[in-house]
Amino acid sequence: EAQVTQNPRYLITVTGKKLTVTCSQNMNHEYMSWYRQDPGLGLRQIYYSMNVEVTDKGDVPEGYKVSRKEKRNFPLILESPSPNQTSLYFCASSRMSGANVLTFGAGSRLTVL
Amino acid sequence: AQKITQTQPGMFVQEKEAVTLDCTYDTSDQSYGLFWYKQPSSGEMIFLIYQGSYDEQNATEGRYSLNFQKARKSANLVISASQLGDSAMYFCAMREGSGGSYIPTFGRGTSLIVHP
Repeated sequence: EAQVTQNPRYLITVTGKKLTVTCSQNMNHEYMSWYRQDPGLGLRQIYYSMNVEVTDKGDVPEGYKVSRKEKRNFPLILESPSPNQTSLYFCASSRMSGANVLTFGAGSRLTVL
Repeated sequence: AQKITQTQPGMFVQEKEAVTLDCTYDTSDQSYGLFWYKQPSSGEMIFLIYQGSYDEQNATEGRYSLNFQKARKSANLVISASQLGDSAMYFCAMREGSGGSYIPTFGRGTSLIVHP
């Protein structure tokens, strides 16, 4: 089944404790992206990648890191989480041609205490 | 300035009636794509419909249609014969771009509640 898999789905952590949210897709998509969703603000892009070893900042990159060492994986790293990073996070991927419909992961709900 | 504007934070509709969710966009690109996604209470994001800027016909997918008015820069989603399962958040999105940028931007969403 074509899908984007992200883990963990739910996480409660404390301020400053480094964490990684993994994202993997099995569709050979070139484009991958991370979004955060907050009430009333819609989806805001954190980082995106158009190919292996190519990443770029989105609208809200502060406090996050990403890497794209393999085409299928695009982990999101919070080096020192803070409470304002409490949010619902989505990983998504798409081809870089045609309609570029995004396929989303199921979401990761992160709470930073 | 927002590139995607959804002016209706919440909408209510009676079951079996049609409903229109508004979306306006802002771009200077000639080539772009417009999308609608649905997010039910379970949280996943579901692709509904796509319209390319050069498509002359309005896109349709089952009960969903996209009312594309290029001159007005609007891309409203029309849901015909609403069902209780249509209750969800709906997001309009745009992908601008020539030159391979393909970076989608999302609106803030409209919450739709379908009453029995």
